[in-house]
Amino acid sequence: TQLLEQSPQFLSIQEGENLTVYCNSSSVFSSLQWYRQEPGEGPVLLVTVVTGGEVKKLKRLTFQFGDARKDSSLHITAAQPGDTGLYLCAGANFNKFYFGSGTKLNVKP
Amino acid sequence: DTEVTQTPKHLVMGMTNKKSLKCEQHMGHRAMYWYKQKAKKPPELMFVYSYEKLSINESVPSRFSPECPNSSLLNLHLHALQPEDSALYLCASSQDSRPGWTEAFFGQGTRLTVV
Repeated sequence: TQLLEQSPQFLSIQEGENLTVYCNSSSVFSSLQWYRQEPGEGPVLLVTVVTGGEVKKLKRLTFQFGDARKDSSLHITAAQPGDTGLYLCAGANFNKFYFGSGTKLNVKP
Repeated sequence: DTEVTQTPKHLVMGMTNKKSLKCEQHMGHRAMYWYKQKAKKPPELMFVYSYEKLSINESVPSRFSPECPNSSLLNLHLHALQPEDSALYLCASSQDSRPGWTEAFFGQGTRLTVV
């Protein structure tokens, strides 16, 4: 059962553009993580959001947790080629992490 | 230090071989995980160890056998695998197993190829 759906699945943009990735679920999570993964490597934790409505900023990345703690978004401002990778959201409940379907981002110079 | 170390990075094994994957963390985390990731797919949970005891087995075939010798180490013993078991195997750890928010840190993974 896929508990978390991400959209879009693929995104190819030019350097300097802005983008938003969405992570949606019908389930409530105690926390939600965003990871970035390079091919053949493990996911690297970017941020954890815990409180409904919470907004966290990490340089050009802005993460938001929905009020009901069922969904989240990742917004990247002025994307750079170094942002290229697979972005994964993961909802956490009782020590189980459910991964979203992933968004593959390609930022062209 | 948020490092989870996995060895080996790459492994090629035959269907009759026995091999082991190793994972180590020194963050004092009491929950450790094995995930399997096929190409272009998200990671899928296999096992969860909580305080060195197996707490979750996601109906994984018995040819995969996890072991947690102590709170810092996690092994995955492999025997009689099939070519379709070829994947990136990821180890992760998190602070503890109590309900509530927690976050997982992942290793670099072991790229396994079964021939």
